Amino acid sequence: LAKTTQPISMDSYEGQEVNITCSHNNIATNDYITWYQQFPSQGPRFIIQGYKTKVTNEVASLFIPADRKSSTLSLPRVSLSDTAVYYCLVYGNNRLAFGKGNQVVVIP
Amino acid sequence: EPEVTQTPSHQVTQMGQEVILRCVPISNHLYFYWYRQILGQKVEFLVSFYNNEISEKSEIFDDQFSVERPDGSNFTLKIRSTKLEDSAMYFCASRDRRSNQPQHFGDGTRLSIL
Repeated sequence: LAKTTQPISMDSYEGQEVNITCSHNNIATNDYITWYQQFPSQGPRFIIQGYKTKVTNEVASLFIPADRKSSTLSLPRVSLSDTAVYYCLVYGNNRLAFGKGNQVVVIP
Repeated sequence: EPEVTQTPSHQVTQMGQEVILRCVPISNHLYFYWYRQILGQKVEFLVSFYNNEISEKSEIFDDQFSVERPDGSNFTLKIRSTKLEDSAMYFCASRDRRSNQPQHFGDGTRLSIL
């Protein structure tokens, strides 16, 4: 399973755009890049998934360069309720291998 | 929006007792998973299940664990003789049959072994 590396934590002010980077140097050809959000005592919640270039949905954007060795999750105009752990995973239809994730704290 | 539901939300059990954790996956999903998260640690994969059989399991999923799909809607995880170290949040997940679809998680069962 390809390993991902993310910053351990980051703070951001309410209303700002937050960009969370992830590196996955050993991503396989068939792997997708998937991001989850987790609040305390809740299950991981799927945010967005992509294979290459840019993917956007109603909550986030995902930027993937041509070499696919990294990705950036962008959360526009965060609110206090976006304080959570964010996980980047590479996914090939099998088990999900969670790392420690990135604790994002949104400050008023 | 369809969601994975898990019951109970919290289960307290004496060490050595059997527990059954229940999950109702999203209705048209065919792949099912169990994960666990010990307090303060990473989410860990336990087992995946497809077409009424285990497709993959981790080293955590030993002989004390079993999974079953007893009917068309439920997916259960049984721990035969619980140990203190089984205390954790247990998450069920499911995904669509199409390739590269994301797994969707329930909000878990908090299992406390006394």
